[in-house]
Amino acid sequence: GAVVSQHPSRVICKSGTSVKIECRSLDFQATTMFWYRQFPKQSLMLMATSNEGSKATYEQGVEKDKFLINHASLTLSTLTVTSAHPEDSSFYICSATSGQTSTDTQYFGPGTRLTVL
Amino acid sequence: AQKITQTQPGMFVQEKEAVTLDCTYDTSDPSYGLFWYKQPSSGEMIFLIYQGSYDQQNATEGRYSLNFQKARKSANLVISASQLGDSAMYFCAMREFNTGNQFYFGTGTSLTVIP
Repeated sequence: GAVVSQHPSRVICKSGTSVKIECRSLDFQATTMFWYRQFPKQSLMLMATSNEGSKATYEQGVEKDKFLINHASLTLSTLTVTSAHPEDSSFYICSATSGQTSTDTQYFGPGTRLTVL
Repeated sequence: AQKITQTQPGMFVQEKEAVTLDCTYDTSDPSYGLFWYKQPSSGEMIFLIYQGSYDQQNATEGRYSLNFQKARKSANLVISASQLGDSAMYFCAMREFNTGNQFYFGTGTSLTVIP
């Protein structure tokens, strides 16, 4: 299957700092990337959908000024958590899909565990 | 209404036995895809199996098979010959072809395989 990498895998930062998480599709071109947030023992919560070269579409309740998403190329999307606070601590997972048909599965990155002190 | 419903928060199965994880879905889109993912404790989401709404046959991938009952809107995952490494969270997901690229995930089922 396709490979998606995510970096860093784990980050600890101080409150008020910004953190950037990278998501890369290694062996395919990802027309669409998704960013999810997952709390312990809960399902994935979609934060935003990003298409290469266009602005991300954010889900209701997700602050776009706080969670900046850039999808500059077909293989790279970044999520920047600006002015992070302890309540932003979570597991962030990206996924990528190569097409827009229902048969195209998402391939997930390994996730980034963010801890804000 | 929930797009994807997984009613079993936790399941136990004896090693080498088969287990069925339930998933029901709700959509009015005639064209959709159903997916199952496995999430071990490491956190990575692993794609297991896919079923398209127009597929006539139930999908199978090794020890995984999908019991697709379209009229009942159910897409249960069957794992045969369970192994200790199957212990993980399992998520059912759906993608509607005509209403965007978004995937809808269920709340997950935690499977524990007992030796």
